[in-house]
Amino acid sequence: AQSVTQLGSHVSVSEGALVLLRCNYSSSVPPYLFWYVQYPNQGLQLLLKYTSAATLVKGINGFEAEFKKSETSFHLTKPSAHMSDAAEYFCAVRGGGYQKVTFGTGTKLQVIP
Amino acid sequence: KAGVTQTPRYLIKTRGQQVTLSCSPISGHRSVSWYQQTPGQGLQFLFEYFSETQRNKGNFPGRFSGRQFSNSRSEMNVSTLELGDSALYLCASSLGQDPTDTQYFGPGTRLTVL
Repeated sequence: AQSVTQLGSHVSVSEGALVLLRCNYSSSVPPYLFWYVQYPNQGLQLLLKYTSAATLVKGINGFEAEFKKSETSFHLTKPSAHMSDAAEYFCAVRGGGYQKVTFGTGTKLQVIP
Repeated sequence: KAGVTQTPRYLIKTRGQQVTLSCSPISGHRSVSWYQQTPGQGLQFLFEYFSETQRNKGNFPGRFSGRQFSNSRSEMNVSTLELGDSALYLCASSLGQDPTDTQYFGPGTRLTVL
């Protein structure tokens, strides 16, 4: 079985501040991990993914995430928040092979000017 | 390259009716997945198809079904609609030949059941 826990359904940061969105996973096999962003009234867009290569993954729009097996975490960070980063962010896990993708409950990021 | 398209974008039905939603994947993509998104349950996996075969199925009742055609287009059907089926239904396509292939999502179909 696999699962994802996103801590904090809502996160507020000031423009220019560090963005940290937390994701912890559970998987019985080495996982593949993903971060998606969803803007209002749109589908999801992939930000980055971990595929068992480098543990530090860089994605689009300045986001990055680090896979930490010992902590079963895959937190998403961005050094400096921009107003356009306001959206909902989803962490997802896929176990080995073609297991289904399981999404976390999402974190809404608010950026305060 | 055109993105994933879903039709219709909005749909209003009444309880007991059935509905069919359509998804056209990105050209060359052979895998299509369907998700239900609601405020209470978040994103729930419905099913995944690859080359006309169902590769995975989520924990939904048998009222929810899907299929994929030889051109990779996919449809999902919900019979005997219930109020709780009101949701945004998202379709995602990928090449499908590797579990890490990027999924590209469509804008969704907003289904309202009255």
